Amino acid sequence: EPEVTQTPSHQVTQMGQEVILRCVPISNHLYFYWYRQILGQKVEFLVSFYNNEISEKSEIFDDQFSVERPDGSNFTLKIRSTKLEDSAMYFCASKTGGRGYTFGSGTRLTVV
Amino acid sequence: GNSVTQMEGPVTLSEEAFLTINCTYTATGYPSLFWYVQYPGEGLQLLLKATKADDKGSNKGFEATYRKETTSFHLEKGSVQVSDSAVYFCALSALTNFGNEKLTFGTGTRLTIIP
Repeated sequence: EPEVTQTPSHQVTQMGQEVILRCVPISNHLYFYWYRQILGQKVEFLVSFYNNEISEKSEIFDDQFSVERPDGSNFTLKIRSTKLEDSAMYFCASKTGGRGYTFGSGTRLTVV
Repeated sequence: GNSVTQMEGPVTLSEEAFLTINCTYTATGYPSLFWYVQYPGEGLQLLLKATKADDKGSNKGFEATYRKETTSFHLEKGSVQVSDSAVYFCALSALTNFGNEKLTFGTGTRLTIIP
């Protein structure tokens, strides 16, 4: 069964550093998403991406965040200058035009 | 906007007990409804889904019926096992005010089954 692959599974970074979280969505999917889950809390929407541009973003997704699909296969989330409160599990998801979402296994980001 | 209200946890049950986790939603249009499960230390796995009113989603002994009249999608299982211990998320997929489709999650319900 096709999978969404996320790397790394765990990343530790110093506050103020830039991080890039990587995702390889399912190859024929058209819509791409990032969600995050602060430990023990709700899964929150960050951003959706379609046709090489952001289609919607939440208020969490401020100027410190950006997304890219640089080569037609990877889908990346960049945090320019990490803060302690960015520590969370970040999930990538993709879907076709139907309503079936497939999630990756997540990247646990720890900002110290 | 779209929202999901989910039964507060944690829920602790004995093995073989009957499980219900309540979920209600608010959405414009005709959402699809989902239950996701997150086992300790793992990602989000789709448990079941329903795409229209009166549909019943089922998987691994879990069931949920899409009730448009009560805007609900309660999760049930007749006899739970220790291996069902996890966090369960109710979610909906619908068009947003931006004409975009995305998943909106409830707060999650932590379920612990004791032998």
